[in-house]
Amino acid sequence: DAGITQSPRYKITETGRQVTLMCHQTWSHSYMFWYRQDLGHGLRLIYYSAAADITDKGEVPDGYVVSRSKTENFPLTLESATRSQTSVYFCASSALDEQYFGPGTRLTVT
Amino acid sequence: TQLLEQSPQFLSIQEGENLTVYCNSSSVFSSLQWYRQEPGEGPVLLVTVVTGGEVKKLKRLTFQFGDARKDSSLHITAAQPGDTGLYLCAGEDTGGFKTIFGAGTRLFVKA
Repeated sequence: DAGITQSPRYKITETGRQVTLMCHQTWSHSYMFWYRQDLGHGLRLIYYSAAADITDKGEVPDGYVVSRSKTENFPLTLESATRSQTSVYFCASSALDEQYFGPGTRLTVT
Repeated sequence: TQLLEQSPQFLSIQEGENLTVYCNSSSVFSSLQWYRQEPGEGPVLLVTVVTGGEVKKLKRLTFQFGDARKDSSLHITAAQPGDTGLYLCAGEDTGGFKTIFGAGTRLFVKA
């Protein structure tokens, strides 16, 4: 199906474990983004990518790693999960000035 | 650091009432967007405003961009239960390709 998908939709992990959140888009959009959404903070940009192999930090990049070897995929890795990384994570891709968001991944770090 | 402040944070009204949500900043944005988000889903774009003073209408929703491009408002006429959701404003950073989001206004419309 065309669009932007995220997996898993829900994830529970333990402190210190590595976790990778997947994002896939079928539109061949150049720009892709990762946000986290926390109550009272709205959406905060973690990392973004302008094209394959081009990534840059957003507002809250510490503790996260991204890669983009293919245009359609933009995985986000938490190298050593902490409780403060419990959040809902949204991936988005962009055409011109409109961003299209995935359904989100709810991550709980215990 | 550019910030967008939304008010009110929460709004609970009866069906048929009118309401206005505000989005304010001390910074200038090249464009401003309004998104609506429902529980368990990602935000969906409602409108983008680009020109200072611009007014756009989308059925019962009216969006306005301030003359100085620092603020915006969303007015809903005769609210319906289907309007319930989280409304987010977002500004395009003039210094680069980044979007700054406000914390959102959670609207609940009672039948």
